[in-house]
Amino acid sequence: SQQGEEDPQALSIQEGENATMNCSYKTSINNLQWYRQNSGRGLVHLILIRSNEREKHSGRLRVTLDTSKKSSSLLITASRAADTASYFCATDAPNSGGSNYKLTFGKGTLLTVNP
Amino acid sequence: ETGVTQTPRHLVMGMTNKKSLKCEQHLGHNAMYWYKQSAKKPLELMFVYNFKEQTENNSVPSRFSPECPNSSHLFLHLHTLQPEDSALYLCASSLSIAGAQPQHFGDGTRLSIL
Repeated sequence: SQQGEEDPQALSIQEGENATMNCSYKTSINNLQWYRQNSGRGLVHLILIRSNEREKHSGRLRVTLDTSKKSSSLLITASRAADTASYFCATDAPNSGGSNYKLTFGKGTLLTVNP
Repeated sequence: ETGVTQTPRHLVMGMTNKKSLKCEQHLGHNAMYWYKQSAKKPLELMFVYNFKEQTENNSVPSRFSPECPNSSHLFLHLHTLQPEDSALYLCASSLSIAGAQPQHFGDGTRLSIL
């Protein structure tokens, strides 16, 4: 069953603007990851945030996590045309068996950055 | 270059054909995964291997048969597929199956069933 759900489904902005994508999930998690997928390519890991962290930065990326609201956001600052891609959140939820390695992905947000 | 190589990149086959997808990782990882990506649907986990042993079969039909001869190679054998099996098949690897492990993906095989 789908755990993470990204919002919006599609986002179109101008180069230089900031892009914010949101992810909501249903059950408690160990950590949340964000991935990027360029058209015709595989997914690329961007950033991982653990359930006890609230914010994390990596270059122009800023990820927040609010476990009370079961939501996360990915902010890309000063966007570039090369940032055009689909962005997915993936949650890694604990299970009773202890094998918490299953990542559950959302449907993604398609970001278009216009030059 | 992600360190995970998938071949072929594109495959067109009839429903009665038998073909295999190949995945190879050069990252020294111990866990490997097969995913199915269909349009408008979330990425679906199919199989997980840890140190060559299958640890997850996510209710995948038997017409998909995985094989993991060693920690660096993963195959997906296909037989008697259906049109709804047309999708992008992605292979991924991670250091282990423990939590908080980023996964590294190949560029996928685009499969079309005639």
